Amino acid sequence: GAVVSQHPSRVICKSGTSVKIECRSLDFQATTMFWYRQFPKQSLMLMATSNEGSKATYEQGVEKDKFLINHASLTLSTLTVTSAHPEDSSFYICSAKRQGGIYGYTFGSGTRLTVV
Amino acid sequence: AQSVTQLDSQVPVFEEAPVELRCNYSSSVSVYLFWYVQYPNQGLQLLLKYLSGSTLVKGINGFEAEFNKSQTSFHLRKPSVHISDTAEYFCAVSELQQGGSEKLVFGKGTKLTVNP
Repeated sequence: GAVVSQHPSRVICKSGTSVKIECRSLDFQATTMFWYRQFPKQSLMLMATSNEGSKATYEQGVEKDKFLINHASLTLSTLTVTSAHPEDSSFYICSAKRQGGIYGYTFGSGTRLTVV
Repeated sequence: AQSVTQLDSQVPVFEEAPVELRCNYSSSVSVYLFWYVQYPNQGLQLLLKYLSGSTLVKGINGFEAEFNKSQTSFHLRKPSVHISDTAEYFCAVSELQQGGSEKLVFGKGTKLTVNP
């Protein structure tokens, strides 16, 4: 099966610091990875779409300079929250689309970010 | 742009009772539909998907959904629920983006609570 590993599962950081979240496809190559943000008791909000080797496409209202996305290989994408503030505290989830797959999206287990 | 409406934010049921979680989407020429389940502090797990063919789709954990084009609906059903089915359920539709890539658009979710 398709497995996506997301790390860390939980992180607490101080205001002003940066945090990196990794998303790896373990047993398949992912042409496209997606990063979502989920507020408590709400749906997933797509932040950006990243394709391997190219710049990420950000959704309207998402700050590119704050949420840096790198998709350096077909199995790894990272989201870096720069200069984090308490309002960035949220649940972040990545999703990977299998190369050549037909509408196969696999989700990571999510990262709970708390900025204090 | 596609939109997904999950009509019920919360659905409480008793164990072994049947359940239906409703989902409507905005119409499109072609549409691909998904149901995901999310347990607390976890990512999303695919329950089932409709791409084409038979309008009745069977998924994991005894769930099924019926695609109804005329009513633009994709309701999720289970004839007899278990306590372990307590979770958040998300309906999603795929949407083509500029450049040919696609993304998932999610509904707001339905919290299913199964009581003993």
